[in-house]
Amino acid sequence: LAKTTQPISMDSYEGQEVNITCSHNNIATNDYITWYQQFPSQGPRFIIQGYKTKVTNEVASLFIPADRKSSTLSLPRVSLSDTAVYYCLVVPGYSSASKIIFGSGTRLSIRP
Amino acid sequence: GAVVSQHPSWVICKSGTSVKIECRSLDFQATTMFWYRQFPKQSLMLMATSNEGSKATYEQGVEKDKFLINHASLTLSTLTVTSAHPEDSSFYICSANPGQDIETQYFGPGTRLLVL
Repeated sequence: LAKTTQPISMDSYEGQEVNITCSHNNIATNDYITWYQQFPSQGPRFIIQGYKTKVTNEVASLFIPADRKSSTLSLPRVSLSDTAVYYCLVVPGYSSASKIIFGSGTRLSIRP
Repeated sequence: GAVVSQHPSWVICKSGTSVKIECRSLDFQATTMFWYRQFPKQSLMLMATSNEGSKATYEQGVEKDKFLINHASLTLSTLTVTSAHPEDSSFYICSANPGQDIETQYFGPGTRLLVL
C-alpha cells in the first residue's frame, strides 16, 4: 500500500481557492487517488477520485501529473463550512475488498 | 452515492460490559466491510476487514478476541467490543464498497463509545 504525505494543517479565508497537495511516491499502476473530507464526529465523506490528469466535479478538482507521484485537491471559493480534515488516499483498483490506510490528513481551517 | 449506516450513533457503558455496533449497507450488498477506530485529533486506524460468511481479518495489534466481528449477511456487519474498558472509548467507523466503482469506499456516520 502506497504511503501518502500531506501538510498537517492549512489556513485560508472565505472566498479563496485552496490547494492541498499530497505526495505518493510509491503509487502502483493499479492505484487510484481518492480524497475524503471529515467533519468532527462524522464518518469520512467521498470528495473526488482520479487516476491521471484532471478530474472535476461539483465540489472540487483533482490534478494529477503524468508521473502520478503527487496530486493536488483544489477547492474553489471556500466557505466556513469547508473547515474539516481532508485525507488523501491511494486505493488499489483491482478489488473492492482492498484495504484503505489513512494517513494523517490535512486539517483545513477557513476564517471569515 | 451509496449509503452506509451505523447503530447506535453513540453508546455509554460500564467497564466490563460488552457493546455491539452494527454497520449496514442500505442500498447495496457488500461482501467486504471494514472497521476503523479513531481517537480524538487522530486519523482513522484500520482495525479489521469483515468478510461475509468467513472469519474477519485483523490488523496487527488488534485483539480478535476483544473485538469480535460477525458478517452474517451481505448488508450487515457487527463489531462487538467485549469486556470494554475506558481505553476502548473511541469513535468507531465502518466502510463498505458497492462494487460498481471498486476503488471507492463509503463510510458510515460512526459510533461514539464511552466506557465509564
